[in-house]
Amino acid sequence: DAGVIQSPRHEVTEMGQEVTLRCKPISGHNSLFWYRQTMMRGLELLIYFNNNVPIDDSGMPEDRFSAKMPNASFSTLKIQPSEPRDSAVYFCASSRTSGDADTQYFGPGTRLTVL
Amino acid sequence: GDSVTQMEGPVTLSEEAFLTINCTYTATGYPSLFWYVQYPGEGLQLLLKATKADDKGSNKGFEATYRKETTSFHLEKGSVQVSDSAVYFCALKGYSTLTFGKGTMLLVSP
Repeated sequence: DAGVIQSPRHEVTEMGQEVTLRCKPISGHNSLFWYRQTMMRGLELLIYFNNNVPIDDSGMPEDRFSAKMPNASFSTLKIQPSEPRDSAVYFCASSRTSGDADTQYFGPGTRLTVL
Repeated sequence: GDSVTQMEGPVTLSEEAFLTINCTYTATGYPSLFWYVQYPGEGLQLLLKATKADDKGSNKGFEATYRKETTSFHLEKGSVQVSDSAVYFCALKGYSTLTFGKGTMLLVSP
């Protein structure tokens, strides 16, 4: 079975540019999560969706960040405009909402560098 | 709110040594508890979990027991290998989402 797919794996951009990160969850999973990982702050939950609907976006750092899930197999996290402090590894994870609902499956991450 | 505290690393061991990584938690209700592992350049992978008090999760020689009385979920392995070098995250799931600890890096030398 294919796991969570993220693209790109690496992104280098300049301050002020728009960045879009993409995620394809595991087929049949109804919940999707976006995390950010930095050395200073560890792993932070940014937003999560249930059945394509955003449930909690309290972790989104500011209005420059937005996330969408137009269908069950695709989600995006957009940063506009990007700033150097956004440099981090961004993970997407998915889970079921029944059965093994406790377990989240993580993608390989996107390493973002904002110059 | 929910929180997870785990020992700071790095933990440096020789191959075949015994491993303990401490994890304690604060939560309302009866959360599920997890250990995730992150190998260099990869995402987090579930290592083991326990869903109720006194449950023992185990996988790949690693074990952890859900201790409600001490609110702990310490990770142990009897004999570590170089390939176990990674960052280990303790986590809990309360009502809705996972809460992670800050991670503990394990370095195993031959």
